[in-house]
Amino acid sequence: AQTVTQSQPEMSVQEAETVTLSCTYDTSESDYYLFWYKQPPSRQMILVIRQEAYKQQNATENRFSVNFQKAAKSFSLKISDSQLGDAAMYFCAYRREAHQGGSEKLVFGKGTKLTVNP
Amino acid sequence: AAGVIQSPRHLIKEKRETATLKCYPIPRHDTVYWYQQGPGQDPQFLISFYEKMQSDKGSIPDRFSAQQFSDYHSELNMSSLELGDSALYFCASSLATVETQYFGPGTRLLVL
Repeated sequence: AQTVTQSQPEMSVQEAETVTLSCTYDTSESDYYLFWYKQPPSRQMILVIRQEAYKQQNATENRFSVNFQKAAKSFSLKISDSQLGDAAMYFCAYRREAHQGGSEKLVFGKGTKLTVNP
Repeated sequence: AAGVIQSPRHLIKEKRETATLKCYPIPRHDTVYWYQQGPGQDPQFLISFYEKMQSDKGSIPDRFSAQQFSDYHSELNMSSLELGDSALYFCASSLATVETQYFGPGTRLLVL
């Protein structure tokens, strides 16, 4: 079974600074997808960024970027120019490739609570 | 852009009662997932449907059942509610050919 590990239960960053959240995963699959979701105090689950395992290029979405190391099974999230609105719980998630249509569930890590200090 | 709709947003039930949660996926999405998130926990997968057929099943109690209807909306039926069922229940939807799941706002269930 696939597992996702987030080793940092809590992190803090100063506004306008950069922070990196760590995520490692375990899988025997070769095709899969990785995601970072943000859950603010409202508890809405918001997609931040996604990465296809077959792509070597790291995904980037504005101030958010990932460092995907497939061999090391590592998928960290970097937030640049941190803003107060970035404060939230961040979940790393894994999804294997779906075969013959159908669906594949997300497997989540335990989350990292990010605090942004003004 | 249209998002996933869940109703009700909040629900309070007594032990042993029944609850029905509804999910309306993003238009044209054919796959629906249900997740349960307990306090301070990560979301746990319950069940999913693709083209109105159950496609995967996770740690869903036998007291729970779900289905996806012809218009692709889904309902999660929960019977004999227990205190431990108190949680945030998310529905997510996706297009089967695209791997990204988009989450609804969740239904907060409190069992007293």
